[in-house]
Amino acid sequence: QKEVEQDPGPLSVPEGAIVSLNCTYSNSAFQYFMWYRQYSRKGPELLMYTYSSGNKEDGRFTAQVDKSSKYISLFIRDSQPSDSATYLCAMSSWGGKFYFGSGTKLNVKP
Amino acid sequence: DAGVIQSPRHEVTEMGQEVTLRCKPISGHDYLFWYRQTMMRGLELLIYFNNNVPIDDSGMPEDRFSAKMPNASFSTLKIQPSEPRDSAVYFCASSPGTSGGQYEQYFGPGTRLTVT
Repeated sequence: QKEVEQDPGPLSVPEGAIVSLNCTYSNSAFQYFMWYRQYSRKGPELLMYTYSSGNKEDGRFTAQVDKSSKYISLFIRDSQPSDSATYLCAMSSWGGKFYFGSGTKLNVKP
Repeated sequence: DAGVIQSPRHEVTEMGQEVTLRCKPISGHDYLFWYRQTMMRGLELLIYFNNNVPIDDSGMPEDRFSAKMPNASFSTLKIQPSEPRDSAVYFCASSPGTSGGQYEQYFGPGTRLTVT
């Protein structure tokens, strides 16, 4: 079983839609949860991180962590064509190595 | 700050040749990571350093791969001899390592390696 599972998509939505991206994991020691955005032929860039459980909001983006279910989500409100990219979840225990999901490709149609 | 700098951006080489990828991390960052990304396997951590010391190289695929960090501002990933299955995009990332974790990783633009 992989440490982190992520649906590869692709996910295609109309502009303005609410997007939900998800990852599941198996290691209960994970405490740091991150979402990265990767545009085509670019390096991943950090969007948001959350420590332990709970929600975190940043503009149109909301990250949620449910440690009891080993499930994390990223919500994008009022999605824009510029949000079209691959979104990777990542997680780590304290001082431990990172584990990345395989990425979900998102396409927001104008 | 210029961000993480990687060179070359593209490398095409023949099987059996030595390949050296270079990385300059963001000044002041204590952690440096080397990743490989392919369609089949996604983003894989190869090795990471803390304060120039290799901490975990369990992701290095085999002895053909080696990485060094001679000082805080430079690291290399070497493949010798290269094989076609090494074709991938190689990313370097650095992190300030605050709060005991390395969550705030900043990635370079990557080196696209093609081995024919």
